[in-house]
Formats: sequence, C-alpha cells, structure tokens
Amino acid sequence: DAKTTQPPSMDCAEGRAANLPCNHSTISGNEYVYWYRQIHSQGPQYIIHGLKNNETNEMASLIITEDRKSSTLILPHATLRDTAVYYCIVGGSNYKLTFGKGTLLTVNP
Amino acid sequence: GAGVSQSPRYKVAKRGQDVALRCDPISGHVSLFWYQQALGQGPEFLTYFQNEAQLDKSGLPSDRFFAERPEGSVSTLKIQRTQQEDSAVYLCASSPRAFGGGYNEQFFGPGTRLTVL
Repeated sequence: DAKTTQPPSMDCAEGRAANLPCNHSTISGNEYVYWYRQIHSQGPQYIIHGLKNNETNEMASLIITEDRKSSTLILPHATLRDTAVYYCIVGGSNYKLTFGKGTLLTVNP
Repeated sequence: GAGVSQSPRYKVAKRGQDVALRCDPISGHVSLFWYQQALGQGPEFLTYFQNEAQLDKSGLPSDRFFAERPEGSVSTLKIQRTQQEDSAVYLCASSPRAFGGGYNEQFFGPGTRLTVL
C-alpha cells in the first residue's frame, strides 16, 4: 500500500472550515484514499473514502487532486468535538489498514 | 444499533501472567480485525478473520499472541506470559464485507488498554 504524509498537528477555530492535507505520491490506480479519525480514548472512526472523484457525506468532504497524488479532508464547520487525530490511509482491496501517525487537529473556541 | 464492544476496557497484569481480551463485533459482520496501538502511535494490524477462519496472522508480534473466533462471531485475543512491551491499547474492528475488491470500511471498538507491570 502507498505511504502517506500528513502534518503532525493543525489548529482550527470553532465554526471555521478545517482543511487537512495528505500527500500520497506513490498511490496506484486501484488504491482508495480513506480518512479515519480517533478521538481521545476511543477507537478510530471511519469518515470518508474516495477513489478518483471528490466525495461528500454528512461528516466531511474529500477532495482528491486530478493526479491523485494528494488529497484534502474538509470539515466545513469544525466544532470542539472534532478535536481528534485524523488518519489518511491509502489502500486497495487489501483488508489491512496501515495507519501512520496522523494529524492532531485541535479546534479552539 | 450496537457497535463493536470490547472487554475489559482496562486490564492490569503482572509480568508473566496470561490475559484474554474479548471482542464482540457488530452482528452479522463477516470480517474481524485486531490491531495494537502503542502510546502516541497509530494502530498496527495484528490479525484478520473471515468468519471463523484466521486468514492472516502476520502482524502478531510473537508466538505468545494467539487469536481465535471459533463460531465466526465473538473473538478472543490471548497473550501468554505478558511482557512490559505488550502494554498497549488493543483494538478490535469488524466489517460486513469479505475482502477481495472494493473499499475497506472498518468499525472499531473502544479498545482494551493493557498495562503490564
């Protein structure tokens, strides 16, 4: 599976959009981009995934560049409860999820 | 509906003791996974079950670690002769799908925090 690079930490003001970047320059054609997050003392939570097209659900939007070498997770109106570690994961049909260290997003009042 | 549950939530063991960690996946989920998460790190894959079959145990750190899912539902991760380096959070996840293509959405439990003294 392709490796990912994420900033170790980011801050965001409550009510503003949080944009979390991820680089995955070695991604191959059949590999999905997944985002999970982990709130303190909880298990990871699935947020969204995409292959080529941009995706949106009730939690977030995922923007994937045309060359698929990077993506951005957008939380449109961040709340204090969105403070968590966000993991960008790239993988194909392999059942293993390979987590990195993720980005600690801190939403400030 | 009920999510993935794990028990106990916290376990303290003396070095050399055996421990058993339980996972109750979401009802009907075919696939079950165990991960180990050290402090400050992302989860690391341990093993994968499809129904009762253990298809991959490549992530188990040593032969002291053993996992089973005898009836294709509840799973137990057993660690024999625990060592201090086994201290971690052990996460269980389940998925409604068997894998062989398509996307990979896993539903995680809250984890069991194991501390070995």
